[in-house]
Amino acid sequence: NAGVMQNPRHLVRRRGQEARLRCSPMKGHSHVYWYRQLPEEGLKFMVYLQKENIIDESGMPKERFSAEFPKEGPSILRIQQVVRGDSAAYFCASSPSYGQGARPEAFFGQGTRLTVV
Amino acid sequence: GQQVMQIPQYQHVQEGEDFTTYCNSSTTLSNIQWYKQRPGGHPVFLIQLVKSGEVKKQKRLTFQFGEAKKNSSLHITATQTTDVGTYFCAGEYGNKLVFGAGTILRVKS
Repeated sequence: NAGVMQNPRHLVRRRGQEARLRCSPMKGHSHVYWYRQLPEEGLKFMVYLQKENIIDESGMPKERFSAEFPKEGPSILRIQQVVRGDSAAYFCASSPSYGQGARPEAFFGQGTRLTVV
Repeated sequence: GQQVMQIPQYQHVQEGEDFTTYCNSSTTLSNIQWYKQRPGGHPVFLIQLVKSGEVKKQKRLTFQFGEAKKNSSLHITATQTTDVGTYFCAGEYGNKLVFGAGTILRVKS
């Protein structure tokens, strides 16, 4: 069972370009989370998605950022018109569905390191 | 808003010394999770605590969940160089898993 797959691992974009980050969750996982991390800082929650639904996007900037998790295919985090401040590591995590019990552990991908030049 | 405060931010220890990181929540948590991230790596799940006052051990690591379920700690006994990395706690707030800022552990051999 392959882990959470993110690609690309490294992405360089010029200011004003678009960045597309992909995340394939673990097989059987229907919950996807995106986090942003600056060097030697914590993981900042961005968005929580289930198949075809955005559950919580309270951590997403209102402009330029969007996320989706289609019925088929990977989850995509899209950043339009990138600026230098968007440079960071973006991690995706997935978890299986759960009922009334405690939230199961989140499995993280290797991350995409975005550099805006 | 929902916050998970974690201290200290950094800790440098001599190999063989003990290490503790503390996590405090602004609200009562249903459960708390701990993760470790090696330098250049990705966060990896260590453990989850659910019950008030719960204590769990993994070899040299001891995890505690406070009686009020608002704080937690991770204690490492006799640190080794393989323990280096950043340790994060994470609390569940509604739909979100919110992470603390992490404690960076450096071990000098």
